[in-house]
Amino acid sequence: NAGVTQTPKFQVLKTGQSMTLQCAQDMNHEYMSWYRQDPGMGLRLIHYSVGAGITDQGEVPNGYNVSRSTTEDFPLRLLSAAPSQTSVYFCASSYSRSGNTIYFGEGSWLTVV
Amino acid sequence: EDKVVQSPLSLVVHEGDTVTLNCSYEVTNFRSLLWYKQEKKAPTFLFMLTSSGIEKKSGRLSSILDKKELFSILNITATQTGDSAVYLCAVVSNSGYALNFGKGTSLLVTP
Repeated sequence: NAGVTQTPKFQVLKTGQSMTLQCAQDMNHEYMSWYRQDPGMGLRLIHYSVGAGITDQGEVPNGYNVSRSTTEDFPLRLLSAAPSQTSVYFCASSYSRSGNTIYFGEGSWLTVV
Repeated sequence: EDKVVQSPLSLVVHEGDTVTLNCSYEVTNFRSLLWYKQEKKAPTFLFMLTSSGIEKKSGRLSSILDKKELFSILNITATQTGDSAVYLCAVVSNSGYALNFGKGTSLLVTP
């Protein structure tokens, strides 16, 4: 049972490049989300999904795209990377809204130069 | 707009001290408040609080929620260097799904 798997763990991008952060969970969770964390900040919600085919924007969605074609996968796409997107990204999944059931991936460290 | 405010933002204490971390919130349709510990990786779950006045305890850590005054505290007694971390408070509302995090309190425990 792998839980929530994020790839890649580290990535350096040039400004203007696009890339996809992958997130997969094997717990059959309906709820999945992407957060970013910057120094001195808590986690801020980028996008979330309450089930396959359903996505919605969080607090900081600009510059990011998501899709949820299957229950297991929730990729995050950076359309045209900017230095302001240098951050640590966490994917999370949950089977309910309670909060204590949320499982986090290990994080993806992204640097845009 | 929902708000979660943690204080202090950073704290340095000596081993053996007791610390109190604060979290105040303004959330529409409050559902639960959660505390996490983060050490250079993904947050790890500590407590979930939904009812006012009921203390949750785990070893040297304890937490309590005041739904009337809209705040929670996290207490750590007899601190150890291994308690050094960022402590995050997050709130879930009934009208939303995802966690709304505060900025965190960075705790450093020195030997």
